[in-house]
Amino acid sequence: SAVISQKPSRDICQRGTSLTIQCQVDSQVTMMFWYRQQPGQSLTLIATANQGSEATYESGFVIDKFPISRPNLTFSTLTVSNMSPEDSSIYLCSAKRYRDRGTRTDTQYFGPGTRLTVL
Amino acid sequence: TQLLEQSPQFLSIQEGENLTVYCNSSSVFSSLQWYRQEPGEGPVLLVTVVTGGEVKKLKRLTFQFGDARKDSSLHITAAQPGDTGLYLCAGIQGGSEKLVFGKGTKLTVNP
Repeated sequence: SAVISQKPSRDICQRGTSLTIQCQVDSQVTMMFWYRQQPGQSLTLIATANQGSEATYESGFVIDKFPISRPNLTFSTLTVSNMSPEDSSIYLCSAKRYRDRGTRTDTQYFGPGTRLTVL
Repeated sequence: TQLLEQSPQFLSIQEGENLTVYCNSSSVFSSLQWYRQEPGEGPVLLVTVVTGGEVKKLKRLTFQFGDARKDSSLHITAAQPGDTGLYLCAGIQGGSEKLVFGKGTKLTVNP
C-alpha cells in the first residue's frame, strides 16, 4: 500500500489567515486528490491535484479559496485561504496508484488528515 | 441528492452480534470500495469489488457487490469492540477517476 503523510496533523488558526497543508506520498502515484470531511460527516472531494498544471476543482470549491500545487508525482499542497470558522474541518490528501499488483483496479489511499480549527 | 445511500447511519450493538451495512444507488459503478475510518485517522481501504455478484471475505467481514453493480453490502459476523469505527462505501462510475462516497455508517460495538 502507498504511505501518505500530511503536515501539520492539526492546527488552530485565526480568522482571516491562511494555512498550507503538505502531502507526501512514498511512491509514484497516478493521481492525487484533496478531500474535506466535516465533523461527523463523509468525505467531499475538493479537487484533483494535477502535476504541473492547475488543479481541477469540484462544484462549490474555487482556486482563490483553495489553491493547490503538485510540483511532482509524490507531493502536493493545499492552502486554505482567508479562513473563517466554517472552514473548520478535516482535510485529507488521497492518492491513487495504478493497478496494484494482483488487482484489476486502481487503489486509492488516504493520508491521516489535517484537523483544522478556525477561531 | 446523495449518489450512494448508506444505511443505517448509526449502529450500536453488543459484542458477538452480527450486522449488515448497506450501500445503494440508482447508478451503476465500475468498482466499489469499502473503507473503515477511526477517529483522528484517514480512511483505510478494506476491499474493492468490481464484478457484479462478487463476494469477498476478509476474516469476519463479508462484502458483496450486487449483480447490477448498483449496490453493495458489508456483513460482520460476531462483531468485536475493535470493529468500532466509521464504515464508508465509495464508488467509481465508468469513465470517471473520482471516488464518490456514501455518508457512512458509524458502528459502535459494546463489550
